[in-house]
Amino acid sequence: EPEVTQTPSHQVTQMGQEVILRCVPISNHLYFYWYRQILGQKVEFLVSFYNNEISEKSEIFDDQFSVERPDGSNFTLKIRSTKLEDSAMYFCASSTQGAQGETQYFGPGTRLLVL
Amino acid sequence: AQSVAQPEDQVNVAEGNPLTVKCTYSVSGNPYLFWYVQYPNRGLQFLLKYITGDNLVKGSYGFEAEFNKSQTSFHLKKPSALVSDSALYFCAVRDNTYGQNFVFGPGTRLSVLP
Repeated sequence: EPEVTQTPSHQVTQMGQEVILRCVPISNHLYFYWYRQILGQKVEFLVSFYNNEISEKSEIFDDQFSVERPDGSNFTLKIRSTKLEDSAMYFCASSTQGAQGETQYFGPGTRLLVL
Repeated sequence: AQSVAQPEDQVNVAEGNPLTVKCTYSVSGNPYLFWYVQYPNRGLQFLLKYITGDNLVKGSYGFEAEFNKSQTSFHLKKPSALVSDSALYFCAVRDNTYGQNFVFGPGTRLSVLP
């Protein structure tokens, strides 16, 4: 069964450094998403992406965040200057369409630790 | 605004007994309701969803959920729990007047005791 994959599984970085989290969505999916889960808290939506542009973003997704689909398979989340509060599990998800009833399929996550 | 509540942080049940994980929601329009499960060091796995139609929805691994519009609930159930069902369960909602993203509940940790 096709799966969403994410790399790396864990990343440790120093505050102020840039990080890029990578995702490979399911191949025939057209909509891509990033969510994050701070330890002990709920999963929160960051951004959705379709047709090479952001379709929605939350208040969390400020100017330090960016997303890109650099090629036909990868979907990346860049954090330009990491802060301590960016430490979280970051989940990528994809769906075939963006309809409200559509299931989103999640990857295993990248655990980011900012020191 | 959309919101999801899972009133129990932790649910303990003996293997072989029925289990229920509770979820209530608040949306502006018609709800689309989902359950996901998270095993240790794994991503969120889709279990089942309610879009429209029959209020009782059947999903993966023997789980089912009942949509109750009057009580704005979508409780997850399984007739006979397995130890391997022990995991973190998330309820999520979208509605037809809002955007594409899910709003998740805080999660309920299910422990099935042998």
